[in-house]
Amino acid sequence: DSGVTQTPKHLITATGQRVTLRCSPRSGDLSVYWYQQSLDQGLQFLIQYYNGEERAKGNILERFSAQQFPDLHSELNLSSLELGDSALYFCASSVGQDNEQYFGPGTRLTVT
Amino acid sequence: AQSVTQLDSQVPVFEEAPVELRCNYSSSVSVYLFWYVQYPNQGLQLLLKYLSGSTLVKGINGFEAEFNKSQTSFHLRKPSVHISDTAEYFCAVSGVRGSTLGRLYFGRGTQLTVWP
Repeated sequence: DSGVTQTPKHLITATGQRVTLRCSPRSGDLSVYWYQQSLDQGLQFLIQYYNGEERAKGNILERFSAQQFPDLHSELNLSSLELGDSALYFCASSVGQDNEQYFGPGTRLTVT
Repeated sequence: AQSVTQLDSQVPVFEEAPVELRCNYSSSVSVYLFWYVQYPNQGLQLLLKYLSGSTLVKGINGFEAEFNKSQTSFHLRKPSVHISDTAEYFCAVSGVRGSTLGRLYFGRGTQLTVWP
């Protein structure tokens, strides 16, 4: 158990819908990262937050957005969902920006 | 930007045999290097990391890796594998400063299967 929690574990939804994935980092960790794992793209960095502020953006679609709240938990919002958005979404956290990242168990999103 | 190539998508090996999982990276700046392991239906767990210093890095579960700057490689090795090492292994790289710090670029993964 890494100490990073993600909810829900599984999510099945239809195309065009909007979902919210939640991540609680390890106690004391200020950085949160979101990654997408799919069969065709592999593991891809989406976005990073540090103490509530966005620090880096990767291959994140405009239909996706994220935020980190004052209590340091983070949410990833995916809207206008397409079949290709089906993937495992991982959250990771670290103390700072150059420390070891601890990964959560992931949320498996299936878009039908 | 950084990129990672894992040269083997699948590596089958018999129990107690040695194994090497190959990783090459590309970057125009200094990098940190990592190996992660993913067991079925689980998240990623850090095996080892190279930040600086000795090029031979020892990690958990008896794994080690060697950073070779001239060959831009970071191969993972274990002298004797167990059935429980069966998993997917990911090599990753990040920059060491600025906006590249912290964001991991992953290879496509190598599925290690250990047979009895």
